[in-house]
Amino acid sequence: AQSVTQPDIHITVSEGASLELRCNYSYGATPYLFWYVQSPGQGLQLLLKYFSGDTLVQGIKGFEAEFKRSQSSFNLRKPSVHWSDAAEYFCAVGSQGNLIFGKGTKLSVKP
Amino acid sequence: ETGVTQTPRHLVMGMTNKKSLKCEQHLGHNAMYWYKQSAKKPLELMFVYNFKEQTENNSVPSRFSPECPNSSHLFLHLHTLQPEDSALYLCASSQVWKRKILNTGELFFGEGSRLTVL
Repeated sequence: AQSVTQPDIHITVSEGASLELRCNYSYGATPYLFWYVQSPGQGLQLLLKYFSGDTLVQGIKGFEAEFKRSQSSFNLRKPSVHWSDAAEYFCAVGSQGNLIFGKGTKLSVKP
Repeated sequence: ETGVTQTPRHLVMGMTNKKSLKCEQHLGHNAMYWYKQSAKKPLELMFVYNFKEQTENNSVPSRFSPECPNSSHLFLHLHTLQPEDSALYLCASSQVWKRKILNTGELFFGEGSRLTVL
């Protein structure tokens, strides 16, 4: 069955600290992978995507993610978190608009 | 600004009311979607329209009725809703299978319509 797992429901990091949000997936073929961010009361904004080529992809707002086929993972990273990064982050897998979303990880940033 | 506009942003309705949510995309995409986002639950896909044809209805109750008059507009008609239908309703669009070219098909979301059913 196709699925996306985000094992961390809520993460708190200090401003300026590094961040890694985990995402594991189960998919029958080589997937397209996405990370979205949702600020309170807003829709989802695409941070980055992977569909082929270099397994380390760069996104907006200083985020990057690494695709590891052997681990079925697509973890999101940022070297230094800013207070404005506080939001909920969703990993998704699929293609042609047929995306499966994880349950999301809420990120809190403390001063 | 994502190119997907949803109105209204907030809606409060009684269980006997009829209302509609509207979505418009300015991205030239050929597929549109309705998602439901409830507290503590993952995003739930409700309906998919490809080239104005409904291709998916994810076991959604008939009190939700979608309409896609063209590839740029999508409506969700609401009738006789229940309090548990209170949620954020998100519209999205994507570009799929154009001229046999596979697209990654990432979704572009609107800001959502927050619905409260009393």
